[in-house]
Amino acid sequence: KNQVEQSPQSLIILEGKNCTLQCNYTVSPFSNLRWYKQDTGRGPVSLTIMTFSENTKSNGRYTATLDADTKQSSLHITASQLSDSASYICVVSGAGNMLTFGGGTRLMVKP
Amino acid sequence: ETGVTQTPRHLVMGMTNKKSLKCEQHLGHNAMYWYKQSAKKPLELMFVYNFKEQTENNSVPSRFSPECPNSSHLFLHLHTLQPEDSALYLCASSQDGDTGVPDTQYFGPGTRLTVL
Repeated sequence: KNQVEQSPQSLIILEGKNCTLQCNYTVSPFSNLRWYKQDTGRGPVSLTIMTFSENTKSNGRYTATLDADTKQSSLHITASQLSDSASYICVVSGAGNMLTFGGGTRLMVKP
Repeated sequence: ETGVTQTPRHLVMGMTNKKSLKCEQHLGHNAMYWYKQSAKKPLELMFVYNFKEQTENNSVPSRFSPECPNSSHLFLHLHTLQPEDSALYLCASSQDGDTGVPDTQYFGPGTRLTVL
């Protein structure tokens, strides 16, 4: 069964600190992995997309890594800001572009 | 703004009511999706439309009825819903068919539905 597990479920950090969110998946065959940011009360917005041949991709203060061998991905947020408070969702695309969503990590950045 | 709009943003309805959710995308995409997002659960794909044709229906109860009159508009008609149907309903669109390019989905802001 295709699954995407994210950890931690929730995280509280102080403004300016770094943090790393984890995503483990069992989707096979693998096509690509995306990280989305979802602000409260809004729809998800794409942050990064990685195919199996890419092992790192950055978008500003967000850096995603992918290890296709261990089927793990991480999203690293550098110098966190209050606006980073949101849910971060890992989505893995498999055969026929079938998407499997993770449950998300809820991040809260405190001043 | 992502170019995908949804109305209404909030909806409260009784179990005997009939209502519709509307989604419109201004991105020229050819595929549209309905998702359900319940508290503490992953996003659940409900329906997929490609070029106005429904290509996927993820065992969704018949009290949810989608309609896609054209590639820019998508509706979700609701009738005799249950309290457990209360959730955030998200619409998304993408441009499918681009070989080698992952089809990023662009989401609308969602409709927060409460069924009493």
